[in-house]
Amino acid sequence: QQQVKQSPQSLIVQKGGISIINCAYENTAFDYFPWYQQFPGKGPALLIAIRPDVSEKKEGRFTISFNKSAKQFSLHIMDSQPGDSATYFCAARGWETSGSRLTFGEGTQLTVNP
Amino acid sequence: EPEVTQTPSHQVTQMGQEVILRCVPISNHLYFYWYRQILGQKVEFLVSFYNNEISEKSEIFDDQFSVERPDGSNFTLKIRSTKLEDSAMYFCASSERTETRAFFGQGTRLTVV
Repeated sequence: QQQVKQSPQSLIVQKGGISIINCAYENTAFDYFPWYQQFPGKGPALLIAIRPDVSEKKEGRFTISFNKSAKQFSLHIMDSQPGDSATYFCAARGWETSGSRLTFGEGTQLTVNP
Repeated sequence: EPEVTQTPSHQVTQMGQEVILRCVPISNHLYFYWYRQILGQKVEFLVSFYNNEISEKSEIFDDQFSVERPDGSNFTLKIRSTKLEDSAMYFCASSERTETRAFFGQGTRLTVV
């Protein structure tokens, strides 16, 4: 029940296209849903995060869509650029049941072709 | 931007040996974490630490693991007797409060041979 399932495992997009990565969860106690970006040899870096009281959050080219009833959330990268090529992880945290720990998805390796 | 720094970047050790992975969290942060990532797999929570004690730990964090904040700046993860399956990237993270953004270090790649 603590799992977060992420898809696809890998994604190839042309420059200027839209990248979409999906995550699903079971634990309704999750209350914070961040997305992390990881470049090779680096640690995960927070990209954008959402709480379940809103259905969408946008920061620049990055948007999180959140569907509480379906227990799903997704990351949309508009106008994808080669510099966006990285591994993306969704994550979730449920403060009341599991404190501050983050539960990560399996990761999506995004490649944006020039 | 403030950084979490980890040393060493890569450590090779023989099975059964003890290793200590070191981290310097961001200076005004109060919550510290260790995560690990086995090659090709997801990032997994190991332990969180606040006010000089463990606040949570996962089932992975068994008796061979320990954490310590030996002084005001360092946060360490000790693996007492390493096993082959401990080979992974270990990430330290810190946050100002539990509900704020967690900053991750660059990781230490541990290879047990």
